[in-house]
Amino acid sequence: NAGVMQNPRHLVRRRGQEARLRCSPMKGHSHVYWYRQLPEEGLKFMVYLQKENIIDESGMPKERFSAEFPKEGPSILRIQQVVRGDSAAYFCASSPQDTADTQYFGPGTRLTVL
Amino acid sequence: DQQVKQNSPSLSVQEGRISILNCDYTNSMFDYFLWYKKYPAEGPTFLISISSIKDKNEDGRFTVFLNKSAKHLSLHIVPSQPGDSAVYFCAAENSGYALNFGKGTSLLVTP
Repeated sequence: NAGVMQNPRHLVRRRGQEARLRCSPMKGHSHVYWYRQLPEEGLKFMVYLQKENIIDESGMPKERFSAEFPKEGPSILRIQQVVRGDSAAYFCASSPQDTADTQYFGPGTRLTVL
Repeated sequence: DQQVKQNSPSLSVQEGRISILNCDYTNSMFDYFLWYKKYPAEGPTFLISISSIKDKNEDGRFTVFLNKSAKHLSLHIVPSQPGDSAVYFCAAENSGYALNFGKGTSLLVTP
């Protein structure tokens, strides 16, 4: 049973470009969470999605960030017009139900904005 | 605002001895606490958890203690092994799913 997969593992973008981060949850998991880890910080909750629905996006910046989890395919975290402050590690987690201790994390995508 | 704090960025312990990692929190509404272990280039892996109705939970070499009045929890690893060397994150939640993480403590277990 493959774990949570994230790609790309490393992404370099210039200021103003768009970044698309993908997350494939574990088989059988219908709940997806995105977290961001800024340098020297802990992981911060961004958004919680179920298939085709955003359940809680209270941790998402109001502008430039969006997330989706379509009926088919991976969950996507999209960052438009990236700035240097977006440089961070973005982790995706999935779970079979919405409980904290069944979240399985992917290896993360490290975004660097030049 | 950092609601979960791990004030020791690093800890070094000799193999076979006890490792004690500490964590403080400020939000009294947190009702579930977790510890995660993270190796470089990997995502965090769940280690052990404790509900706010308990003050201790044990799983093999790992024990978590919760002191609600002090808003403090700790993770004890006995005996420590070199493979335990990793970054340990404390996390707390009260929503059922949104984890609040500390900054982590890097544990080094030396032979």
